[in-house]
Amino acid sequence: QQQVKQSPQSLIVQKGGISIINCAYENTAFDYFPWYQQFPGKGPALLIAIRPDVSEKKEGRFTISFNKSAKQFSLHIMDSQPGDSATYFCAAWKNTDKLIFGTGTRLQVFP
Amino acid sequence: NAGVTQTPKFQVLKTGQSMTLQCAQDMNHEYMSWYRQDPGMGLRLIHYSVGAGITDQGEVPNGYNVSRSTTEDFPLRLLSAAPSQTSVYFCASSYETGGYYEQYFGPGTRLTVT
Repeated sequence: QQQVKQSPQSLIVQKGGISIINCAYENTAFDYFPWYQQFPGKGPALLIAIRPDVSEKKEGRFTISFNKSAKQFSLHIMDSQPGDSATYFCAAWKNTDKLIFGTGTRLQVFP
Repeated sequence: NAGVTQTPKFQVLKTGQSMTLQCAQDMNHEYMSWYRQDPGMGLRLIHYSVGAGITDQGEVPNGYNVSRSTTEDFPLRLLSAAPSQTSVYFCASSYETGGYYEQYFGPGTRLTVT
């Protein structure tokens, strides 16, 4: 079964808008939650990450919100730009050696 | 630093053939892993290694073998290729620092099994 559930599968946002991608997990052994960005033909690249003892982390236009009790976390992209068009994956680390990914969200930002 | 390198970039196999996907990293990372990426499925962990001589299974290990004789190299072997193994394969290496984990991915190998 999918250990990290991600939604939506695809997202279309106008330039300047806010993009929101949500993830949920079941396993409380997960202890670190990164988001990856992937452009076509490339490998995923780390975008931003959060530990479960923090409720929010912001880096530039990208923010992770984390709700430990609900076992949910989300990525917010403020002032979305066409260059943000990519596939985004949430993920969860277990014991430093196993990184489990969500199914991905394809984001398209139109001018 | 070259980072994580993978060869070949593209490969076509016939059903039943075997082959090895190569992965190497020059960052002295202890942790390495292999993923396959399929449309709508995200990246699924095949095998991983926490150091030389140590390997373990991920989510989808069937049909694949790995070994880790050195810190730098982590090859993935397909024993008898099947069409279901058509996918894009990514190798990654990672390290832990102060409770935070960083993982770096290679450029991928696109495999087609006919």
